[in-house]
Formats: sequence, structure tokens, C-alpha cells
Amino acid sequence: GAGVSQSPSNKVTEKGKDVELRCDPISGHTALYWYRQRLGQGLEFLIYFQGNSAPDKSGLPSDRFSAERTGESVSTLTIQRTQQEDSAVYLCASSSLGGPSTDTQYFGPGTRLTVL
Amino acid sequence: DQQVKQNSPSLSVQEGRISILNCDYTNSMFDYFLWYKKYPAEGPTFLISISSIKDKNEDGRFTVFLNKSAKHLSLHIVPSQPGDSAVYFCAASETNSGNTPLVFGKGTRLSVIA
Repeated sequence: GAGVSQSPSNKVTEKGKDVELRCDPISGHTALYWYRQRLGQGLEFLIYFQGNSAPDKSGLPSDRFSAERTGESVSTLTIQRTQQEDSAVYLCASSSLGGPSTDTQYFGPGTRLTVL
Repeated sequence: DQQVKQNSPSLSVQEGRISILNCDYTNSMFDYFLWYKKYPAEGPTFLISISSIKDKNEDGRFTVFLNKSAKHLSLHIVPSQPGDSAVYFCAASETNSGNTPLVFGKGTRLSVIA
């Protein structure tokens, strides 16, 4: 079946502009995660959605970052007033039960964001 | 402060030999550990996992060993194949605290030389 998809695959923007990144999780997966990977770094957790529960936003680096999810489907990560340090690959993952001990997180290919 | 550390950024191994990738963690609350493999321009793909109640988990050519007292785990690949060349990420979570996101290391780039 279809995996996690993300769009766009690449985004180049100017400093100060807003960007929206999209994630389509695997159908039926209740949990959705956003991570980012900056150059030479590991994956850094940003935000986590589980069903209708309030999202876990503890990883968002600043109030310029926000994310929404409609039900158990598409999620959008928005970065306002982008800065050069926001340049990274933004990865989305989904899992069926939301717990890594009971199910695996499946990752999309990522969106490479470059802020000039 | 990195909770999951992969101290070797890269590793080169001859085809057919064993590859050993290491990972250390500092958070004693971590009780579930995973290895992900990542090819360029693709997302990470799950490889193998281990719960803290075990010290070894094997899946084909891949074996993960966990030493809780040392807060250390390793991934063994034997025999190594050129298609194993990728970046390998170690990840950990505290499942007993509920559904928590994964904490990743910085990755180790494995090159298997034919």
C-alpha cells in the first residue's frame, strides 16, 4: 500500500517568508510525528499528534512553528518568518497505535527546506 | 545534551565481513530501542528493535545487542553487503511514560566496500 508522502520534496524560500509543509500519513494510522534533521545532526522531534488528543508540541523550537492535523489524515507544518537556521530536512512519520513498543513509525521521504 | 549518542560518524567494512555499529544512551528511563536505516533522499526505514527486557534480538543478518548496565547497544550486520551502505540511526523511547516520540542519535554512515 501507499507509504507516507510529503510535499513539496524541496522548498527554497527567502528569509522572513512563511512556508507550509504537508504530510499524508499511511491510511488508518492514528499517530503522526514531525521531526527535522539539520545538517550533520540526528532527527529532532518537533510535534506529535495522536487521534483526537491534544498534540504534544514540546519539541517545537519557537512560536514561529505550528502544525495542524485534520482528524487522522493530512498534517501541515507551518513555519512563519523563516530564518536561515530553519534550513533542514523535515520528516513526517506515522504509526498505527502511537506507541513505538507496539508499532513502528514509518517515515516519509522528507521535505528539504532551504532558507536563503 | 544528547541523550542518544553515536560516536562514530562513519564506518567502512569489506563486503562479507561483520559491521558493528554502536550506540550509547544516557536516559535510564529509555526502555525501547530501534535502529533505522536511511538512504539518500529517502526517509528512514525501520530495521530492528529491542525491548529493555531482552539483551538480544536477531532478524536475518541483523542482530541488536543491549547492555542495560552500560547503557549501550550495538547493531551487528553479518555478512555485510554493498546494499547495506547507508546511514544508520539509533533511536530510543520511554514507552512506560506513554506514547513518546523517538530520540535519535546523529547517525553512522556505513560504507560496505565490494
